[in-house]
Amino acid sequence: GAVVSQHPSWVICKSGTSVKIECRSLDFQATTMFWYRQFPKQSLMLMATSNEGSKATYEQGVEKDKFLINHASLTLSTLTVTSAHPEDSSFYICSARDLEEEAGELFFGEGSRLTVL
Amino acid sequence: GQNIDQPTEMTATEGAIVQINCTYQTSGFNGLFWYQQHAGEAPTFLSYNVLDGLEEKGRFSSFLSRSKGYSYLLLKELQMKDSASYLCAVVDSNYQLIWGAGTKLIIKP
Repeated sequence: GAVVSQHPSWVICKSGTSVKIECRSLDFQATTMFWYRQFPKQSLMLMATSNEGSKATYEQGVEKDKFLINHASLTLSTLTVTSAHPEDSSFYICSARDLEEEAGELFFGEGSRLTVL
Repeated sequence: GQNIDQPTEMTATEGAIVQINCTYQTSGFNGLFWYQQHAGEAPTFLSYNVLDGLEEKGRFSSFLSRSKGYSYLLLKELQMKDSASYLCAVVDSNYQLIWGAGTKLIIKP
């Protein structure tokens, strides 16, 4: 089946630094990718919708200047957490829908665990 | 506002059947997903319903009633490995996923 790959799987960084997480669709094209965040004991929360070739659409309460999203191609979207702080420590997950599938299933990446010291 | 409701936790016995309910109120409807999530892992796809009725896939079945804003996930012949959280998510009119908080299913021997 379709595969969505995220990198890195886990990252530890110092407060104030920036971290980039990549999301790739390996065997299909995705005009739309979604970025989610999951805090402990909570459900996944949609952060933003990444649209290839245009600006991302952010959910209410998500700072667009802090969480930079770039969807440069039909197979790659990146999330950059700028000036990370300990409260940004979370599990970040991306997902993508196959361009060829009409309202088909959503494929998820393996997730990236960010720990900010 | 948009709302997805599902029980917080359920307990069942190995080999038995369990039904996890999900009710939703969303702006538009473009389908409903059920996902399974083990602790520390990304969710994995179980089912997708966009038309009313029952979809069966092995030990798992999913039912949808759009008029009632209601779905359930039915798990048969429960195995210990089925212990996980089960997430209900609705695709709204903007194709955004609205997630429930998840139902933690505990399987006892």
